[in-house]
Amino acid sequence: SAVISQKPSRDICQRGTSLTIQCQVDSQVTMMFWYRQQPGQSLTLIATANQGSEATYESGFVIDKFPISRPNLTFSTLTVSNMSPEDSSIYLCSVGNQERTQYFGPGTRLTVL
Amino acid sequence: GNSVTQMEGPVTLSEEAFLTINCTYTATGYPSLFWYVQYPGEGLQLLLKATKADDKGSNKGFEATYRKETTSFHLEKGSVQVSDSAVYFCALSVVTGKLIFGQGTTLQVKP
Repeated sequence: SAVISQKPSRDICQRGTSLTIQCQVDSQVTMMFWYRQQPGQSLTLIATANQGSEATYESGFVIDKFPISRPNLTFSTLTVSNMSPEDSSIYLCSVGNQERTQYFGPGTRLTVL
Repeated sequence: GNSVTQMEGPVTLSEEAFLTINCTYTATGYPSLFWYVQYPGEGLQLLLKATKADDKGSNKGFEATYRKETTSFHLEKGSVQVSDSAVYFCALSVVTGKLIFGQGTTLQVKP
């Protein structure tokens, strides 16, 4: 399986600011996804990151709040904009293969004060 | 729609006890089924998977069988260890490749 890294691993931010999370994969992959895991909760898909085009967002998530870039087949970023304490979560990227199996990065633990 | 339901936790067991975590699903079409594990402070790791009915996924002593007739994918292990303490997530994937997760079950194993 691909090796996935995320930066930063954790951060503490002030409300009203923005944070950009990077996801790097060690091989080219077709499918990349971003998930949110709120404290003590399960994972919720934010969006599918599409290479060379706009991300596909799930219901309840919008581009203005969670802009996503995917400039190539090994890299993607997720920005959490105009943060509030409700945005405190773990944000995870994942990559998918042809067998519909997804592998996850280590996550970014975000605390908003 | 597509959904996954897991038994509520936490599940507390003594070391070497038998483990079952129930998972049932609702899906259109033919989903693939997965169990992921999240150890404290870490990301998700794929534990096992099954892609069609009657397939059995297995890894590290854990097993789960894809039961289409009961729409279930229960996780089992014959003898748990303290190191198995974690949160376990059942998930399904449909043709779009999206993963839909259950709510997670916390397992605590006491020595």
